[in-house]
Amino acid sequence: DIQMTQSPSSLSASVGDRVTITCRASQGISNYLAWYQQKPGKVPKLLIYAASTLQSGVPSRFSGSGYGADFTLTISSLQPEDVATYYCQKYNRVPWTFGQGTKVEIK
Amino acid sequence: QLQLQESGPGLVKPSETLSLTCTVSGGSISSSYYYWGWVRQPPGKGLEWIGIIYYSGTTYYNPSLKSRVTISVDTSKNQFSLNLSYVTAADTAVYYCARTDGTAAANQYFQHWGQGTLVTVSS
Repeated sequence: DIQMTQSPSSLSASVGDRVTITCRASQGISNYLAWYQQKPGKVPKLLIYAASTLQSGVPSRFSGSGYGADFTLTISSLQPEDVATYYCQKYNRVPWTFGQGTKVEIK
Repeated sequence: QLQLQESGPGLVKPSETLSLTCTVSGGSISSSYYYWGWVRQPPGKGLEWIGIIYYSGTTYYNPSLKSRVTISVDTSKNQFSLNLSYVTAADTAVYYCARTDGTAAANQYFQHWGQGTLVTVSS
């Protein structure tokens, strides 16, 4: 099975900072990658699918890129409401594995 | 507006079977356009994909759980269910039901999620 590895596991940044999270697949998955945001105590929320397509209603400061095995989620200007854990998930074929998550905090 | 709601016992004894149901409202589980699935999250840990089902009953499971998992669908009740047998404390988690954006490979991400239900395995 394909493994998904996120880095870093956690990060602390200041409001307004550019934040980048990386997700690496152990094999190529084309662009079948989604990103989810999970705020503390809340349900995961779809942010991005097809590696770079923003889900409707998601702020434009979020963006995704990548193809094959290496992907990134970028928050162009970190806001207090972005405090959350972010997960990548591959869905090219079952099982649809999640990354281990990246916890984003405000410095 | 599509809504998914998990229900079932919040406490299950070790070695017994965990049974949860997801009731779908605002949409039909008989639609041929979606997969319906289960994801779980142990306290303080990450998300784990359990499996998915199509309205026809076709299922796909996480290999790590395959020997213990059964997902079924009841189109007459607009529900789908999860059974996980021989549970241990490691199966303690919040269990979410969810729906994909479609059945095509390009749409097999979870667009809609239930609120989740905590199941604790303890004697």
